[in-house]
Amino acid sequence: NAGVTQTPKFRILKIGQSMTLQCTQDMNHNYMYWYRQDPGMGLKLIYYSVGAGITDKGEVPNGYNVSRSTTEDFPLRLELAAPSQTSVYFCASTEPLAGKFFGPGTRLTVL
Amino acid sequence: QQQVKQSPQSLIVQKGGISIINCAYENTAFDYFPWYQQFPGKGPALLIAIRPDVSEKKEGRFTISFNKSAKQFSLHIMDSQPGDSATYFCAASSQETSGSRLTFGEGTQLTVNP
Repeated sequence: NAGVTQTPKFRILKIGQSMTLQCTQDMNHNYMYWYRQDPGMGLKLIYYSVGAGITDKGEVPNGYNVSRSTTEDFPLRLELAAPSQTSVYFCASTEPLAGKFFGPGTRLTVL
Repeated sequence: QQQVKQSPQSLIVQKGGISIINCAYENTAFDYFPWYQQFPGKGPALLIAIRPDVSEKKEGRFTISFNKSAKQFSLHIMDSQPGDSATYFCAASSQETSGSRLTFGEGTQLTVNP
């Protein structure tokens, strides 16, 4: 099992550009999450999904969109990138009340 | 609203010493309390977790102590090693919360000096 994989590892965007962060898990988990981690801070939940076709907002959803067409994939879309979106993004998956498996992260810089 | 408060922000311990990180929560509906370990450039990894029906859980050198009445839980790392140097996050979630969403503390950067 590869676990949770994320692409790309690094990306630099210009203000106003858009991009999609990819996340795939091969553990057949129903629950998937996107977090952002700013320097010296904890993880903030952006969006989550409890199954294919079902998504919901977390604590900091503004400026982001998600979709969940399959159990395995949970892409995060940034439209009109802003400097405030400079962060490290982590995708995670789990089953209910079990430990979450995190991907290696995508480091995004918006200039 | 900060629902899980973690302290200290940073901690320096000598090799062989005990590292103690504390967390306090507000939401009495929380019923799952994991600790995550994160090395630089990596995603967080589950270290140990506890549910409120026990007051302590031990796995190797890592122990969680849980005080339900005080709404506090802590991580103890015995015989701390330089390889334990990492950032540690406490977290909490509730069965009642859709998606078993975790609320994270702000993290503690642990440095274990050789």
